[in-house]
Amino acid sequence: GQQLNQSPQSMFIQEGEDVSMNCTSSSIFNTWLWYKQDPGEGPVLLIALYKAGELTSNGRLTAQFGITRKDSFLNISASIPSDVGIYFCAGQSWSGGSEKLVFGKGMKLTVNP
Amino acid sequence: NAGVTQTPKFQVLKTGQSMTLQCAQDMNHEYMSWYRQDPGMGLRLIHYSVGAGITDQGEVPNGYNVSRSTTEDFPLRLLSAAPSQTSVYFCASSYSMAGPTGELFFGEGSRLTVL
Repeated sequence: GQQLNQSPQSMFIQEGEDVSMNCTSSSIFNTWLWYKQDPGEGPVLLIALYKAGELTSNGRLTAQFGITRKDSFLNISASIPSDVGIYFCAGQSWSGGSEKLVFGKGMKLTVNP
Repeated sequence: NAGVTQTPKFQVLKTGQSMTLQCAQDMNHEYMSWYRQDPGMGLRLIHYSVGAGITDQGEVPNGYNVSRSTTEDFPLRLLSAAPSQTSVYFCASSYSMAGPTGELFFGEGSRLTVL
């Protein structure tokens, strides 16, 4: 089945630093999504990407949909303590008459004040 | 503005006991799903539904049953709990009948421990 390789698995950074994470796959996706899960909560959508090559920003977040449609990255600039949590990538494709969504295993971010 | 509501938030079971995790959404979403989250494993799809009366298996369906009698509700049943089912369970919904198109809205999670 389709799998996403999300890296790194965890990061420890100082407040104010930038952080980058990416997802790769051997499969092609129509949509890439990035979710954030705060401790004790459910994941919440941060950014959605719908076209190959698309670069989208949402405040301090920037994400790109890879040209090959097999990868995506997310950057967070000038990190703050509330950025802590688990970040998931997700790829969406059309298969067998319905949409399929695959999640990466997540990247746990710790921000030291 | 409730969104997706899951109950209970915490539950402890003994091996062999049965229980139902409740999920309700008030956004008139057609698509609903259940995931389990385990350390290092990410989110794995258990069962999903593209509308009332329609359910299907996801990646890890064994040991779980679901039904969808209304658009709003999608309960997850554990018939005979096993320690391997200790996990955090998330219900998620989306507007599209075709699947999780666009944004998935997640509940706050239900933390289940099976002794």
